[in-house]
Amino acid sequence: ETGVTQTPRHLVMGMTNKKSLKCEQHLGHNAMYWYKQSAKKPLELMFVYNFKEQTENNSVPSRFSPECPNSSHLFLHLHTLQPEDSALYLCASSQYSTGTVSNEKLFFGSGTQLSVL
Amino acid sequence: RKEVEQDPGPFNVPEGATVAFNCTYSNSASQSFFWYRQDCRKEPKLLMSVYSSGNEDGRFTAQLNRASQYISLLIRDSKLSDSATYLCVGSGGYNKLIFGAGTRLAVHP
Repeated sequence: ETGVTQTPRHLVMGMTNKKSLKCEQHLGHNAMYWYKQSAKKPLELMFVYNFKEQTENNSVPSRFSPECPNSSHLFLHLHTLQPEDSALYLCASSQYSTGTVSNEKLFFGSGTQLSVL
Repeated sequence: RKEVEQDPGPFNVPEGATVAFNCTYSNSASQSFFWYRQDCRKEPKLLMSVYSSGNEDGRFTAQLNRASQYISLLIRDSKLSDSATYLCVGSGGYNKLIFGAGTRLAVHP
């Protein structure tokens, strides 16, 4: 148990559906992340939130819409997805670093395995 | 060129063997490096940080070569439980970690 909980674990949706992924961390961290992991590809950073503010949007299509109501919760709202969006979506948290050097250690949730039909 | 590049493997080794993975990175400004381990259908978990002076944790040794821009992971006395994918990670900017695609290790009896 890493202290980062993601739901649902598995999700199958059609291209016209709207669904949301949820992430909650119990580690007292103040930075949260969404990553996408496709088969045989590196993890791709999608979004970063520090103290509830979005600080990184890695050119993610608008059909993915993140929401961070507080430092412990992160959502990823999905709508009109494409089959190529099928992947493992991982949430992570870390302690925000106030220095100039990035040395965060990430703690990941178990992920949501998403299939878009 | 990929920002963080790893040999995908798989590395098939017998129990007790010593195995080494290398990883190269393209961003010379990267400050922080890590090795993560990911089991099949599981989330990545931090294995160890990589310091400029090198560091050791039991059977695992990580080293950083800034001049050649590569990091390495050495596993001694391999166990069956070491079978996993090992992800090389470097900092790609503030609050941004860049992952390699991973090196798969299979330890057999």
